[in-house]
Amino acid sequence: DVKVTQSSRYLVKRTGEKVFLECVQDMDHENMFWYRQDPGLGLRLIYFSYDVKMKEKGDIPEGYSVSREKKERFSLILESASTNQTSMYLCASRLDPGQSYEQYFGPGTRLTVT
Amino acid sequence: DQQVKQNSPSLSVQEGRISILNCDYTNSMFDYFLWYKKYPAEGPTFLISISSIKDKNEDGRFTVFLNKSAKHLSLHIVPSQPGDSAVYFCAASASRSGYALNFGKGTSLLVTP
Repeated sequence: DVKVTQSSRYLVKRTGEKVFLECVQDMDHENMFWYRQDPGLGLRLIYFSYDVKMKEKGDIPEGYSVSREKKERFSLILESASTNQTSMYLCASRLDPGQSYEQYFGPGTRLTVT
Repeated sequence: DQQVKQNSPSLSVQEGRISILNCDYTNSMFDYFLWYKKYPAEGPTFLISISSIKDKNEDGRFTVFLNKSAKHLSLHIVPSQPGDSAVYFCAASASRSGYALNFGKGTSLLVTP
């Protein structure tokens, strides 16, 4: 069974803080993704990584950065948290797209920025 | 611009009846489609998928139909059960793009006893 874990289920941070969200997958997947989910907006792609040290911007990268130093770990960084970044953050991983389109999701981190 | 659209934000169905969730897409390059199910406070879980070379795929109570000419797909759940109550997301991918899944906004299904 594929397992994607996220470091926190719930997080409360103050405006201006630097926030790290960690994601780890245990299936040796090449690709990893960060999404945010907001009511009425569905899942929106923030960043993705198709290999170690590689990253690509998604649809809404502003205010975020990412790091992938090891294959199993993909971090999302909010350099200076703002209230409009209050959201559910979802990490996903996948084999190379030549093998599978299916993405496996972690349980999510509910981030509140006050 | 939303390339995958789920125009019904919510749907209520009685237990035992059929649930039909609809999805439309605009990008003719999409050639692979997936449905995900999401419970509150959990990540989405993969449900069923279909390639554009097929028009139907079935897995137990779940069937996905694809109408390429209409750029429309639907998920049928028969019979519906209270445990099916969740948000369902439609997603699409173009093989040439390689990496991205484009998600719809989701449809919240409520199955009542």
